[in-house]
Amino acid sequence: DIVLTQAPLSVSVTPGESASISCRSSKSLLSSKGITSLYWYLQRPGKSPQLLIYQMSNLASGVPDRFSSSGSETDFTLKISKVETEDVGVYYCGHRLEYPLTFGSGTKLEIK
Amino acid sequence: EVQLVESGGSLVQPGGSLKLSCVASGFTFSNYWMDWVRQTPGKSLEWIGEINTDGSKTNYAPSIKDRFTISRDNAKSTLYLQMSNVKSDDTAIYYCTRLGARDYWGQGVMVTVSS
Repeated sequence: DIVLTQAPLSVSVTPGESASISCRSSKSLLSSKGITSLYWYLQRPGKSPQLLIYQMSNLASGVPDRFSSSGSETDFTLKISKVETEDVGVYYCGHRLEYPLTFGSGTKLEIK
Repeated sequence: EVQLVESGGSLVQPGGSLKLSCVASGFTFSNYWMDWVRQTPGKSLEWIGEINTDGSKTNYAPSIKDRFTISRDNAKSTLYLQMSNVKSDDTAIYYCTRLGARDYWGQGVMVTVSS
């Protein structure tokens, strides 16, 4: 199975500042079709996960452009610019390259 | 509006069985592959498996293979998860999902395995 390792475990951010979350894959997530199969999710407290980013760098529908993602075949970064209080929750990375799909262990974002 | 509504969660004894349902609305259910994902208490997300559009093909995570079965009834726009020989490690919130460039997740249903 592909192992996704996230860091840090938690991050505390002042509103208006930026935050970065890392996700490292045990295997290249670049598919034979040239698509990088890396996804980012946010799970707000008490809610279901919601998709933020698909295929490494594409913003999901309705997600503000304060969120962005970049990376290589194995190392990825989610950046949140101008953090707002509504960004509080746990961020997960996940892949859909092969079976089984797996997820990172999550990074908790808190507001200072 | 796309909606996925799970039901059937409960307390079940180790070794027992349980069947979860997920009623879909707001889209043409028969056109989409569907997945189940679970989240153990205080832990991360775990993909359980998926089913193709007509129910003829499924893929499962190794951790649950041969114990869980995913099926669907397109006429009822309903996805199912049959859980058998459940273990305490199966205690989790179970989400019905439609994964894609635009994901949809249900609200989740709690399954507790305990004697």
